[in-house]
Amino acid sequence: NAGVTQTPKFRILKIGQSMTLQCTQDMNHNYMYWYRQDPGMGLKLIYYSVGAGITDKGEVPNGYNVSRSTTEDFPLRLELAAPSQTSVYFCASSYSTGSGANVLTFGAGSRLTVL
Amino acid sequence: GNSVTQMEGPVTLSEEAFLTINCTYTATGYPSLFWYVQYPGEGLQLLLKATKADDKGSNKGFEATYRKETTSFHLEKGSVQVSDSAVYFCALGSDYKLSFGAGTTVTVRA
Repeated sequence: NAGVTQTPKFRILKIGQSMTLQCTQDMNHNYMYWYRQDPGMGLKLIYYSVGAGITDKGEVPNGYNVSRSTTEDFPLRLELAAPSQTSVYFCASSYSTGSGANVLTFGAGSRLTVL
Repeated sequence: GNSVTQMEGPVTLSEEAFLTINCTYTATGYPSLFWYVQYPGEGLQLLLKATKADDKGSNKGFEATYRKETTSFHLEKGSVQVSDSAVYFCALGSDYKLSFGAGTTVTVRA
């Protein structure tokens, strides 16, 4: 039972480069999320998806794109990387409880540095 | 909009001490409330939750009660261990999403 798997764990990018953070879950969860974690700031929601083919913006979507072609996968794309995108990125998934009180399962995180 | 404010850290305690981390929230409607814990180098894990007013969530000796009148969800543990050293996040759940507080770093010394 792998849960939520993120790759890579670490990456250094140069300003202006692009990359994709991969996220896959094997729990058949319909909801998936991308958060970024900055020191002293908690976690901020970047994008989320309520099911395959459906994505929506969170609090801090600028500079990122996502897609959800399957239930399992939810990649996060960074176009034209900037130093402000240096952060730890967490992917999460959940099932719907019908009450809006979803319990999220998190991946181990991907630490990205943009120099 | 929804927001969560939690006690700033870091907090340093001796083993067997009492731990309290304050958390208050602002929300429309009737959110669910959560505490997540993050151990060094790992992702977040659910510690406990409460889905309605006056509910008490508990797990691993930690407790928190959903207080609608004070819009609070304070985390408590009566006797901490070194293994409780971690970052603790209060979170508010609404519309299938979570809003997190800034996190409180707790260090327990032997």
